[in-house]
Amino acid sequence: GESVGLHLPTLSVQEGDNSIINCAYSNSASDYFIWYKQESGKGPQFIIDIRSNMDKRQGQRVTVLLNKTVKHLSLQIAATQPGDSAVYFCAENNDNQGGKLIFGQGTELSVKP
Amino acid sequence: DAGVTQSPTHLIKTRGQHVTLRCSPISGHKSVSWYQQVLGQGPQFIFQYYEKEERGRGNFPDRFSARQFPNYSSELNVNALLLGDSALYLCASSLDPMEGYTFGSGTRLTVV
Repeated sequence: GESVGLHLPTLSVQEGDNSIINCAYSNSASDYFIWYKQESGKGPQFIIDIRSNMDKRQGQRVTVLLNKTVKHLSLQIAATQPGDSAVYFCAENNDNQGGKLIFGQGTELSVKP
Repeated sequence: DAGVTQSPTHLIKTRGQHVTLRCSPISGHKSVSWYQQVLGQGPQFIFQYYEKEERGRGNFPDRFSARQFPNYSSELNVNALLLGDSALYLCASSLDPMEGYTFGSGTRLTVV
């Protein structure tokens, strides 16, 4: 069946380092991808999105890369800060699914000061 | 601007009871979706409503139902609660059903 999964369940980095969180998706028809950040006790917070007609998109300190050939998505966080500590989810969607987002399990990012 | 608001924030119910969760979308957003998030997992899609009509339904039993009102707010109803229904229930709204979903902080439901 369809699934979106993450390679690493936990990631620990030093403050100031760059972080890379990876995600694999299985539905080649997916054409819209979103990264969410979820802090304890809160709902998922939108970070950045990308459509399948792009392979890279940049935001403030974050970059999302999409490799459709191997169905891989990554989130890069530059100069990681303690406030970046959270669980990060990738989610995918396509026209056939309407507004149904399929989420991965999540990666917990821990930033050490 | 107010974000997506959900009520109540926390709720404790007994097995077999019924529960109603409420969601107010961001002003102007016509699409509302509901997700269930069990501890340690990603959110799972339950329902999507757009312009007061059901647009999608996830793999949940008929005990789960929802509706969207003319002001685009929404309710999620769960009947005959089971212990396994304990989870964080998230509401998300969007201008368009296909993109840009903003999530609320959720309702933490505990079934005992």
